[in-house]
Parts: sequence; C-alpha cells; structure tokens
Amino acid sequence: QVQLVQSGAEVKKPGASVKVSCKASGYTFTGYCMHWVRQAPGQGLEWMGWINPNSGGTKYAQKFQGRVTMTRDTSISTAYIELTRLRSDDTAVYYCARDLDQVGINWFDPWGQGTLVTVSS
Amino acid sequence: EILLTQSPATLSLSPGERATLSCRASQSVSSYLAWYQQRPGQAPRLLIYDASNRATGIPARFSGSGSGTDFTLTISSLEPEDFAVYYCQQRSNWPLTFGGGTKVEIK
Repeated sequence: QVQLVQSGAEVKKPGASVKVSCKASGYTFTGYCMHWVRQAPGQGLEWMGWINPNSGGTKYAQKFQGRVTMTRDTSISTAYIELTRLRSDDTAVYYCARDLDQVGINWFDPWGQGTLVTVSS
Repeated sequence: EILLTQSPATLSLSPGERATLSCRASQSVSSYLAWYQQRPGQAPRLLIYDASNRATGIPARFSGSGSGTDFTLTISSLEPEDFAVYYCQQRSNWPLTFGGGTKVEIK
C-alpha cells in the first residue's frame, strides 16, 4: 500500500536550519507531486509548497520563499524539505502529503505521519 | 489569497446524530474544494474532493455539496470514530489554503 514515512522529531535553535525527509513506498515515486503542509501546535493547516519528483520542479507559497527548499532523491524515493533561519513560530508538525492524482490536482492523499520541529533557545 | 471560513468552530452532537459543517470561501472556488478529517494525534485524511466526490475507502455517511463560495460537509449518522476536527481546502487559486477547522465533539 502507499506509505509515506517521515524522519524523526527535531529540536533547533532560532536561526538554525532543519531538513525533514519523507520516504515513499508502494507507488512510483516520480509519478506524483509531493506537497508539504505544516501545523503549529493547536492550530490549523498551512500549505508550504510542492515538488515534482520527476522534474525536480517546485512551487512554494510566497510566505516561505527564500527560506524553504524542497528537493528529492529519486534513487531512494525520498522527498526533503529544508527550512532556514528558523524562528519560534516555525515550531510545528511538518507533513508530507502525496498528490491524489498523477496529473497534479492538488488534493492531498495520503499523508505522512508528521515530524515535530521545535524551535527553542 | 482565498480565505476559507468554517462554521461552527465546535459542534457538540451525540452518536447517531446528523452533522452539518459549513465552509465559505472569500471568492468563488468553483467546485475545487476538499474536506479532510483529523483525529487527535493523527495526520489528516482526505474525505471529499471536488466538492462532492468521496475519496477511496470513505464511508457513504460522508457527503459533500456546494459550489462557488458555499460548501457543506454532512455526516448522516455520527459514529464514535467521527468525532474529530474537519478542515476544508481549496485548490482554485495559489496559494492552496485551508479553513480554520470545525471540531465535532461528543455531547
């Protein structure tokens, strides 16, 4: 079955960077775009961007432009998100979520289990 | 940016009752709206996409309706596992945005 397994929790200091991974299995990794969504503690969901694992092309929400980079390694079916210049309000659970369809229709299914990133001095 | 407003913020109901959740968009999103369920401590799960299409494996008690700016998620008869937070999401315009969520709690 389709499965997305994310890396473990991280604790970072303000100003540092964090890189979270998302390993895909059960489908052709290069066939579906991968999205990243975050959720601050007790808050709602916020879309950050997507990567096309086939081309490496990306689209980022303007809010994160200049601080976020999404990459992939097709040899190990893994997508990555790196966020730099971390602030306390970046504390959140970061989810990867596959696009529902190969043509890229921007619905999210399935989701990874989430990675908690805590930014604290 | 399209703002999605969900109401009510909290819905207190008993098992077996009908739940009606609302999502209103700040501008038309056509039928490009989805609903997700998030149980405590879990990742969200896609329930409905394109306003009214159930995702794979989603029970028939979940249904979606609406177009333009007003959308509804209906749960015909609440099961114990349906008590959760529900989010709507639009894909009509960039950036993709979510509503603030409706919590369905046990009365």
